[in-house]
Amino acid sequence: GAVVSQHPSRVICKSGTSVKIECRSLDFQATTMFWYRQFPKQSLMLMATSNEGSKATYEQGVEKDKFLINHASLTLSTLTVTSAHPEDSSFYICSARDWGDPKTNYGYTFGSGTRLTVV
Amino acid sequence: EDQVTQSPEALRLQEGESSSLNCSYTVSGLRGLFWYRQDPGKGPEFLFTLYSAGEEKEKERLKATLTKKESFLHITAPKPEDSATYLCAAYGGYNKLIFGAGTRLAVHP
Repeated sequence: GAVVSQHPSRVICKSGTSVKIECRSLDFQATTMFWYRQFPKQSLMLMATSNEGSKATYEQGVEKDKFLINHASLTLSTLTVTSAHPEDSSFYICSARDWGDPKTNYGYTFGSGTRLTVV
Repeated sequence: EDQVTQSPEALRLQEGESSSLNCSYTVSGLRGLFWYRQDPGKGPEFLFTLYSAGEEKEKERLKATLTKKESFLHITAPKPEDSATYLCAAYGGYNKLIFGAGTRLAVHP
């Protein structure tokens, strides 16, 4: 089945630095990828929708300049948290749309997530 | 506003004690209702997709059902390895999933 690889799984960075998270679709081409943020014991909140070759669409309240998304190829999307601060600490998860068999999954496969800690 | 609500927030079961998790939704033009399992520190793992009221799907000890207003995830004779957070998500055609807050299930031997 479809596999989405996300790296790194954990990262600790100093306040004020930037961190890049990668999301790759390993065995399919993903024209659309999604980035989520999840706080402890809370659900996934969609941050932005990433479309290959075009600008990302951000959800209301998400700072575009803080969370830079690049989807330069059909298999790779990156999320860069710029000038990170402790309040950006969270669990970030990507998802890719695989237009495979809609009867099995309607095409949403998730990465394993990245735990970001800003100190 | 599209919304997905899950209950209970947390559930503790003894091994073998069957129960059901609820997912209520108000989504215009529902095109799919998803169930995922999420283990701590991991991304969601796909379980089921339901497309229309009356549809049912099964996988091992899990069975998902769908009505016009809600979905249930029935767990029959659960085992400790079924302990996880179960997420429900609705797809309403805006090219994005709307997630519920999840039910944290703990199954004790």
